Amino acid sequence: LAKTTQPISMDSYEGQEVNITCSHNNIATNDYITWYQQFPSQGPRFIIQGYKTKVTNEVASLFIPADRKSSTLSLPRVSLSDTAVYYCLVGDIVNYGGATNKLIFGTGTLLAVQP
Amino acid sequence: DAGITQSPRYKITETGRQVTLMCHQTWSHSYMFWYRQDLGHGLRLIYYSAAADITDKGEVPDGYVVSRSKTENFPLTLESATRSQTSVYFCASSEEVIGEQFFGPGTRLTVL
Repeated sequence: LAKTTQPISMDSYEGQEVNITCSHNNIATNDYITWYQQFPSQGPRFIIQGYKTKVTNEVASLFIPADRKSSTLSLPRVSLSDTAVYYCLVGDIVNYGGATNKLIFGTGTLLAVQP
Repeated sequence: DAGITQSPRYKITETGRQVTLMCHQTWSHSYMFWYRQDLGHGLRLIYYSAAADITDKGEVPDGYVVSRSKTENFPLTLESATRSQTSVYFCASSEEVIGEQFFGPGTRLTVL
């Protein structure tokens, strides 16, 4: 199974850009990379998903190098409300019943944004 | 109301008892998932379902049983609860096999 590694925590200040990197050395060809945000006592919430290169939406960008062994979530101009745990998720279940990575979450990065 | 709900939100039980956690979604999503969340481990997939009557194991399935007789429901049963199953359990659903998963609010289970 793929293993994902993220920094345990990061600190930032309001208005700064924050980059959180996830390492996934054993990523399989079919695997997508997805990032989620989680606030205390809530379920995770989808942020962004990609397969390769760069993906951007209204809240974040996702950078994936050519070898796809890592990915970086970029949050532009963070605010206090961005304080949360961020998870990367690697894998898929396309090969139903077969040997797949079966959706492996990282252990999460606690982002603390200060004023 | 549309969405994904879990019940109960909190549950305390004793070792050896059977416990069923309920999950209900109103979107008619094909895919449903059960995760457990523990400190130091993040979220780990227990079971998932691709459609009614189709389920498969995730990373940590031992001690759990699932069923999916209807598209909207995906109950998780602990047949004989153990203290190591004390955790927060999240249910999720998605329309596509690869896509945004919508998570429920979670069930905090304590096994004494």
